Amino acid sequence: NAGVTQTPKFQVLKTGQSMTLQCAQDMNHNSMYWYRQDPGMGLRLIYYSASEGTTDKGEVPNGYNVSRLNKREFSLRLESAAPSQTSVYFCASSYSGTGESPLHFGNGTRLTVT
Amino acid sequence: GEDVEQSLFLSVREGDSSVINCTYTDSSSTYLYWYKQEPGAGLQLLTYIFSNMDMKQDQRLTVLLNKKDKHLSLRIADTQTGDSAIYFCAELATGRRALTFGSGTRLQVQP
Repeated sequence: NAGVTQTPKFQVLKTGQSMTLQCAQDMNHNSMYWYRQDPGMGLRLIYYSASEGTTDKGEVPNGYNVSRLNKREFSLRLESAAPSQTSVYFCASSYSGTGESPLHFGNGTRLTVT
Repeated sequence: GEDVEQSLFLSVREGDSSVINCTYTDSSSTYLYWYKQEPGAGLQLLTYIFSNMDMKQDQRLTVLLNKKDKHLSLRIADTQTGDSAIYFCAELATGRRALTFGSGTRLQVQP
């Protein structure tokens, strides 16, 4: 099973450039999430989608947009990248988003903005 | 996550027990989790505990929950070099749809 697949694995952008991070899951999960991981700060939630057709802001949504394209895919877009968005981005999914439905994570996208 | 706190680093010798601690502030936490992150990889769920439980054991892993003190711990018995990783504590509070993570504890296991 592929689980949660993120592309690309690495990306370098210049300030002001845009890009879309892709995420797909093959576990028939309903809920999908985007987190960013920064040193010493753990994971912070950017956006989540509780089910197909819905998206909600998390803790740090500014500078990002998301699209839940279908049940499998949840993309994260940076319209105008800034150095503060240099981070490791993780996509995750869960069956129901409730406590007994744990998160499954992708391997991350390492983004550097110069 | 400011609502979940962990110490940053723990070093143990191979074969010893490791205890990783976590404190949280939200008394409405319903589930508490431990995730493991190996270098270059995403997080993998190790175990979780429901808030009405005090303890959960799963092979070499023991989770203890003290609700009064809002303290969670993960004990790894007979720690191996393969246990070297970053361990994240996370909580799911009532009414929330996503987890709040701590900043992670880096466990270093020395041979």
